[in-house]
Amino acid sequence: GDSVTQMEGPVTLSEEAFLTINCTYTATGYPSLFWYVQYPGEGLQLLLKATKADDKGSNKGFEATYRKETTSFHLEKGSVQVSDSAVYFCALEGFQKLVFGTGTRLLVSP
Amino acid sequence: EAGVAQSPRYKIIEKRQSVAFWCNPISGHATLYWYQQILGQGPKLLIQFQNNGVVDDSQLPKDRFSAERLKGVDSTLKIQPAKLEDSAVYLCASSLVLGGTSPLHFGNGTRLTVT
Repeated sequence: GDSVTQMEGPVTLSEEAFLTINCTYTATGYPSLFWYVQYPGEGLQLLLKATKADDKGSNKGFEATYRKETTSFHLEKGSVQVSDSAVYFCALEGFQKLVFGTGTRLLVSP
Repeated sequence: EAGVAQSPRYKIIEKRQSVAFWCNPISGHATLYWYQQILGQGPKLLIQFQNNGVVDDSQLPKDRFSAERLKGVDSTLKIQPAKLEDSAVYLCASSLVLGGTSPLHFGNGTRLTVT
């Protein structure tokens, strides 16, 4: 069945460092891909999405490109802030159902 | 707009007891989802409603879990009897329409601890 694999965390960075969180997927067909974020004490929020190959989703300085050839959707940010500390979930939509990865915790220190 | 409302925020029960969670989706959202998020794992879909009809309940443990969405608005999820492995955060989400083009809006969840 459809599945998403994310790099394990926590990812610990200093403020202004470059961030990459790896995500790969297995799916039948061409799913839509998403990144959701969960800040401490809050619910999951959609961060960005891409619906077809080579699409780039972006929001709040974060970017991810839908790579069909490598079945990947890695999340990147050029300069992280302390306020970016959260858990990030990669997800795919297959058969009108979202399948989530296990999440990657990001910790950013000043 | 008001977000997805869930209650209670926390619940502690003993095994074999029953528990119910309530969700009020965003007004006008036709699709409602219940997810289970066990510590250290990603959310897993339990059941998905389109209006008041069930679209997918393939991962709902039907011997102990039940859910309903009367009148296509609010929803309740019930566990009876609870087991230790049911300890998790139960997330409710809603979307305007079925499918990935309409983003899911999540509530803050109900954290269940079964002792």
